[in-house]
Amino acid sequence: DAKTTQPNSMESNEEEPVHLPCNHSTISGTDYIHWYRQLPSQGPEYVIHGLTSNVNNRMASLAIAEDRKSSTLILHRATLRDAAVYYCILSRGGSNYKLTFGKGTLLTVNP
Amino acid sequence: EAGVAQSPRYKIIEKRQSVAFWCNPISGHATLYWYQQILGQGPKLLIQFQNNGVVDDSQLPKDRFSAERLKGVDSTLKIQPAKLEDSAVYLCASSLVPGVTEAFFGQGTRLTVV
Repeated sequence: DAKTTQPNSMESNEEEPVHLPCNHSTISGTDYIHWYRQLPSQGPEYVIHGLTSNVNNRMASLAIAEDRKSSTLILHRATLRDAAVYYCILSRGGSNYKLTFGKGTLLTVNP
Repeated sequence: EAGVAQSPRYKIIEKRQSVAFWCNPISGHATLYWYQQILGQGPKLLIQFQNNGVVDDSQLPKDRFSAERLKGVDSTLKIQPAKLEDSAVYLCASSLVPGVTEAFFGQGTRLTVV
């Protein structure tokens, strides 16, 4: 699977937007970009995924660069409950689809 | 819908003992994953099932770890004998259509080997 690069940690203030970057310069045309997050003492939780176009759902937005070599997860108004480790993952569809986690970005939200 | 169920939540064993973890995926999910998460690291995939067949077990330490998914539903992961470095959280996840739909994770089993 292609590799992703994320900052180790980021800080945000409550009720402000958060932009979490992810670089994936070796992405292939069939790789989906997935984001998961892991709250303390919980299993990972799906956030959003996309292929080429920007995506929105109730939790977040995913902005994908035109060349697809980077993407940004956008939390529109951070809350204290958003404090978690955020993982950016690339994977191809199909029965061999694997979720390979890196170290992720630890997001701290200040009140 | 009910989530992915795992048991037990916590387990403490001595090294060289054996231990088993159980996972019940979301009903209808054909794909089941087992992950190992050591403190401070991201989850590491141990084994992936598609129905009751193994898709990937390249990172499963087969000399001591085994997993099965009978009838393509529930799954068990066993460690025998356990080592100190096996102390970790063991996570089970399932998905309906791999690569297309999201994976759902259980709460995990925290194993401590002393």
